[in-house]
Amino acid sequence: DARVTQTPRHKVTEMGQEVTMRCQPILGHNTVFWYRQTMMQGLELLAYFRNRAPLDDSGMPKDRFSAEMPDATLATLKIQPSEPRDSAVYFCASGLVQDTQYFGPGTRLTVL
Amino acid sequence: AQKVTQAQTEISVVEKEDVTLDCVYETRDTTYYLFWYKQPPSGELVFLIRRNSFDEQNEISGRYSWNFQKSTSSFNFTITASQVVDSAVYFCALSEASQGAQKLVFGQGTRLTINP
Repeated sequence: DARVTQTPRHKVTEMGQEVTMRCQPILGHNTVFWYRQTMMQGLELLAYFRNRAPLDDSGMPKDRFSAEMPDATLATLKIQPSEPRDSAVYFCASGLVQDTQYFGPGTRLTVL
Repeated sequence: AQKVTQAQTEISVVEKEDVTLDCVYETRDTTYYLFWYKQPPSGELVFLIRRNSFDEQNEISGRYSWNFQKSTSSFNFTITASQVVDSAVYFCALSEASQGAQKLVFGQGTRLTINP
């Protein structure tokens, strides 16, 4: 049963600290997405990759967020420095080109 | 610009009732894809269905059915004989072929509560 995995599942940190979230896409999927879910904004696309190349990160605050795919089995989303307004659930999803996206369980981030 | 509207913020019904979740979308593309995802209390997003704009056939999967009507830009989801386990937030989403069919735009979700 192939699934997208995300670590950590929960993270509590203090304002100003660096946060790194990791995602392992489903083996064979060549597109990876990062979404953020908040009560106010709902589900928003932050960035996505195809064949490990970033295609669109227009949804991401550039000054503090960065997303990378060091290899086909790992995607990372970093926030440095973190702020309380970054508190949200961050979802990773993977899929094939122009196909269904399958979501991971999410990382619940709380920035104090 | 693409947009998805789920006008029903919350729905509460008694078990075994049928319930329909509404989804209205906006797009200028002629080729697009519509989705429904379920988010149970545990928090994960579970894929339910994907439909392309050229396939207006309604679909049934067990107690779930979907009614796609291009004329009204709607993609509604019906649960027949609802069960407590159906309690979740349900999201409708849209992706456009002109955007590489990659960007999912979600509605705000409908929180469905099934009471025993």
